[in-house]
Amino acid sequence: EVQLVESGGGLVQPGGSLRLSCAGAGFIFSSYSMNWVRQAPGRGLEWVSYISSSGATRYYADSVKGRFTISRDNAKNSLYLQMNIVRAEDTAVYYCVRDEEFYDILTGYNYAMDVWGQGTTVTVSS
Amino acid sequence: DIQMTQSPSSLSASVGDGVTITCRASQDIRNDVGWYQQTPGKAPKRLIYAASRLQTGVPSRFSASGSGTEFTLTISSLQPEDFATYYCLQQNSYPLTFGGGTKVEIK
Repeated sequence: EVQLVESGGGLVQPGGSLRLSCAGAGFIFSSYSMNWVRQAPGRGLEWVSYISSSGATRYYADSVKGRFTISRDNAKNSLYLQMNIVRAEDTAVYYCVRDEEFYDILTGYNYAMDVWGQGTTVTVSS
Repeated sequence: DIQMTQSPSSLSASVGDGVTITCRASQDIRNDVGWYQQTPGKAPKRLIYAASRLQTGVPSRFSASGSGTEFTLTISSLQPEDFATYYCLQQNSYPLTFGGGTKVEIK
């Protein structure tokens, strides 16, 4: 069974740091690009960051650029999100999400988020 | 950045009703749209990818269409388990962006 399990969430003070982890199982982790998506309490979904399968390419939302770093260790089937200088507005459930590659006859190879972890909760408060 | 404008933000419907949710993109995004269903306290679940492809295992009462800037998700006959919040997502370019969500409630 394909599975993603996040960990590392918790209570952190404003300005502090936290490292989230996501363990993949049931698929060839090193073949898939990955994302972090978050959801603030009572709010919608917000994409946070992307990393390619090799780790060579990374993208970030403007709201976290310069503060968060996405990384991965394919030997450990793991994805990470290093969160620094956290703010109250970073309070959210953080989901690890796999990107599925598929072929479309009109547009060629594309990616679509398919499998989601159960999420880990980050609370930024003093 | 590409904006995804989703409507309505909420709707009330009865079991057996058909409903349609719309997402409009601020620029042409081909068919690079997915639709996700989220129930309270749970992670989102993919229903549709590439604008109209049904995820394996998703009931056929769910369908979707669109390309370019306008996309729709239709539920042909609402079932009790369909009362949830639905989101569209564009994966045409970074930063990826979600629609604001549509909460489907029981009338």
